Amino acid sequence: QKEVEQNSGPLSVPEGAIASLNCTYSDRGSQSFFWYRQYSGKSPELIMFIYSNGDKEDGRFTAQLNKASQYVSLLIRDSQPSDSATYLCAVKPMNSGYSTLTFGKGTMLLVSP
Amino acid sequence: ETGVTQSPTHLIKTRGQQVTLRCSSQSGHNTVSWYQQALGQGPQFIFQYYREEENGRGNFPPRFSGLQFPNYSSELNVNALELDDSALYLCASSLLRDRLSSDEQFFGPGTRLTVL
Repeated sequence: QKEVEQNSGPLSVPEGAIASLNCTYSDRGSQSFFWYRQYSGKSPELIMFIYSNGDKEDGRFTAQLNKASQYVSLLIRDSQPSDSATYLCAVKPMNSGYSTLTFGKGTMLLVSP
Repeated sequence: ETGVTQSPTHLIKTRGQQVTLRCSSQSGHNTVSWYQQALGQGPQFIFQYYREEENGRGNFPPRFSGLQFPNYSSELNVNALELDDSALYLCASSLLRDRLSSDEQFFGPGTRLTVL
């Protein structure tokens, strides 16, 4: 059973702080990693994807991947109340035979003004 | 560029009934994946259609079926509805260059299904 694990939270941070969201995965052969944001009652929205070890930055967001530790994280700098949402980590397993995603349960982020 | 659309937005059914959910993929995309998201859970993969053929299936019973049309839109059919089928059903659109490529998936707004 290929699994993706996330702390359900909530993770509470004050406005302007850095929020750090973490995800571990069990399939060592996983090749692609995605972060989605989901507001309550809405569908997931793709924030970032990362394929290679290291950091990838996009505006206030930085994705970090460490394949040796089977760990991927998302950093949100200068957190805003509008960032309050559930963040879903998704992984595409290697050799799945088709292109699909395995999701974690998500971490709820609360940014207080 | 047109985004992913789904219909209906909400649906209420009773146990034993059948339901059909519809999805139109984003312009330029050729692949549709369906996911079920129960309350408090992450999306669970149901199946994927690529060029009108099923391109993989998750751990869902045969009463979950689907198809994809030449314009890449798709339907999800669920027979003999059970109470546990109550969930948000999400359609995700992507552009696959071959059966195994890994391209980003973009979700539609979802259909909220309630089974009474």
